[in-house]
Amino acid sequence: DAKTTQPNSMESNEEEPVHLPCNHSTISGTDYIHWYRQLPSQGPEYVIHGLTSNVNNRMASLAIAEDRKSSTLILHRATLRDAAVYYCILCCSRGGADGLTFGKGTHLIIQP
Amino acid sequence: EPEVTQTPSHQVTQMGQEVILRCVPISNHLYFYWYRQILGQKVEFLVSFYNNEISEKSEIFDDQFSVERPDGSNFTLKIRSTKLEDSAMYFCASSDAGSYEQFFGPGTRLTVL
Repeated sequence: DAKTTQPNSMESNEEEPVHLPCNHSTISGTDYIHWYRQLPSQGPEYVIHGLTSNVNNRMASLAIAEDRKSSTLILHRATLRDAAVYYCILCCSRGGADGLTFGKGTHLIIQP
Repeated sequence: EPEVTQTPSHQVTQMGQEVILRCVPISNHLYFYWYRQILGQKVEFLVSFYNNEISEKSEIFDDQFSVERPDGSNFTLKIRSTKLEDSAMYFCASSDAGSYEQFFGPGTRLTVL
């Protein structure tokens, strides 16, 4: 599986934007870039995914570098509820049956 | 909003005993998964299941593990003879055909004594 590299932790203030980086220099042409998060004592939760173009949804935006070797998850206005571990995962060239390979992720701390 | 449910929330068992962890995936989903997370460690993929058979499994998913969809709603993970190192949070997930989004349940905490 292609690997991703994320900072161990990041800190931000409430109501400010947060940019969570991810490096994936060995990404293959068919890998999608997925982001999940895990709130304390909960199961992982899907955030967003993309292939080549930038993506937006109600939770976040995903900015993908032109060479696809890195991406950035953007939380436009962080709230205390966004404090979680965020995982950048390359996946799913085979479709729906692929298991997700979680790394250690980035522990996002939100200060009030 | 539909969600994945898991029972029990916490299971305590003695080493060597069999346990069955139960999951009810979202009703129209076709792909089912089990993951585990040992305390303080990464979430690890165990197995995926589609069309009543295992689609993919990890090295962790050895002969001690099995999965089953006994009826139209439940998806189970059986550990035949539990070991101390099986103590972990076990997450079930499901996804729809044509969607890469996996929906996770709240987990079952398994404690092996």
